[in-house]
Amino acid sequence: DTEVTQTPKHLVMGMTNKKSLKCEQHMGHRAMYWYKQKAKKPPELMFVYSYEKLSINESVPSRFSPECPNSSLLNLHLHALQPEDSALYLCASSQTGANEKLFFGSGTQLSVL
Amino acid sequence: AQKITQTQPGMFVQEKEAVTLDCTYDTSDPSYGLFWYKQPSSGEMIFLIYQGSYDQQNATEGRYSLNFQKARKSANLVISASQLGDSAMYFCAMREPDTGRRALTFGSGTRLQVQP
Repeated sequence: DTEVTQTPKHLVMGMTNKKSLKCEQHMGHRAMYWYKQKAKKPPELMFVYSYEKLSINESVPSRFSPECPNSSLLNLHLHALQPEDSALYLCASSQTGANEKLFFGSGTQLSVL
Repeated sequence: AQKITQTQPGMFVQEKEAVTLDCTYDTSDPSYGLFWYKQPSSGEMIFLIYQGSYDQQNATEGRYSLNFQKARKSANLVISASQLGDSAMYFCAMREPDTGRRALTFGSGTRLQVQP
C-alpha cells in the first residue's frame, strides 16, 4: 500500500464552523506533513510531525491546529477560518531519512465562505 | 532569496518530442536532495525523480532524466517522447537535511502542455 488517503476531498465551511481534515497512511512512515497550496502557486509547508511529535510549525495561525494521534493518522483541525484560507490542503508522509521522497495525498479542496 | 527557481511559467511541446524544464537552486547544505513532482489537474503530487547532491551520475526514471550540473546549481528535468498525459504542472523541490529542513521546499512550477 503506497497511498496517502485524505478525507474529505472537498469541504465548504463558514467562518464560524469547526471542521477537521484527515490523512492516513499505512506505509510505516514516521514523518508526516501538512502543506497548503493556493491556486497557481506551489505548496507551502505548514507543519511537520516526526515520530508523532510536532517538529516544525511554519508560523501558522492558531486557527489551524494539527494533531497526530498515532503513526498512521494526521489531522488538521480548523476553527474560525477566513476566506483567504481557501486552498488545497495536501498531506504527505515519508521515511525519516535525510533525503527520502514525500508521498502525497490528493488533497482536500477547502472553501471558506 | 529564492531557494528554488523555475523560470518557465509555461511550456508547450509537440507529442513525441523531448522537453527540458529548468530548475536552479541555492543552498549551503552540502548534502541536499533535489526532487521533481508532477501535479495533474486532479491535484495529487506525483513523485517523478530524485537526485542526491553526492550522486555522481544523473538520475533516470523511464522517460524522465535529470540533468544535474552541480557547479551551476541546476537540476533540469528532461522528458523524452512526450505524451498527452504529461500535460500537468511540474514542480522542482529541494530538501536540506543538515539545516533541519527535511521538508520539501518547492519552486513556483512550470505548466507543461503537450500538443497532438
